Amino acid sequence: GAVVSQHPSRVICKSGTSVKIECRSLDFQATTMFWYRQFPKQSLMLMATSNEGSKATYEQGVEKDKFLINHASLTLSTLTVTSAHPEDSSFYICSVTFTDTQYFGPGTRLTVL
Amino acid sequence: GDSVTQMEGPVTLSEEAFLTINCTYTATGYPSLFWYVQYPGEGLQLLLKATKADDKGSNKGFEATYRKETTSFHLEKGSVQVSDSAVYFCALSDRGGTYKYIFGTGTRLKVLA
Repeated sequence: GAVVSQHPSRVICKSGTSVKIECRSLDFQATTMFWYRQFPKQSLMLMATSNEGSKATYEQGVEKDKFLINHASLTLSTLTVTSAHPEDSSFYICSVTFTDTQYFGPGTRLTVL
Repeated sequence: GDSVTQMEGPVTLSEEAFLTINCTYTATGYPSLFWYVQYPGEGLQLLLKATKADDKGSNKGFEATYRKETTSFHLEKGSVQVSDSAVYFCALSDRGGTYKYIFGTGTRLKVLA
């Protein structure tokens, strides 16, 4: 299967700062990547679809100005959490799509103090 | 709309016991079906998949058969190990071109030595 990396794996930041999370597809070019959020002991919540070379498509209820997504190349998508607040603390996971199968990154644990 | 229903967990088994985790779905078309496994603090790993009716996906001793008549994709393993302790997610893929997934709520499995 496809190999997907995320960086950083963990980040702790102060309230009001911005945090950037990178998602890289290491062994194929991905025109579509997904960003998810997962709360403890819950399933994944799709936040947005990241499309290479165009604007991301956000799910209902997700603030696009707060969660900025940039898919500038076929192997890299970034999620920036702007003006982070403690309620943004969560586990963020990206995935890349190859045919109809998604391959997931290892996740990024964000803690906002 | 499309949906996935998984059995409630947690499921606790003794080592070498037989495992079944039920998954049923509703879909308007003919989705692909997936099982993913998530170990603590990690992303999701593809366990197996099936793309059409009567297909059987298998990997690492786990199996699931795509049953169109019962709209089910139950996960089974004949003899579980302590290392199988994890959360298991059933998912279907929208074949409408978006490649979005619909996830089940996840089933936590704990295997005791």
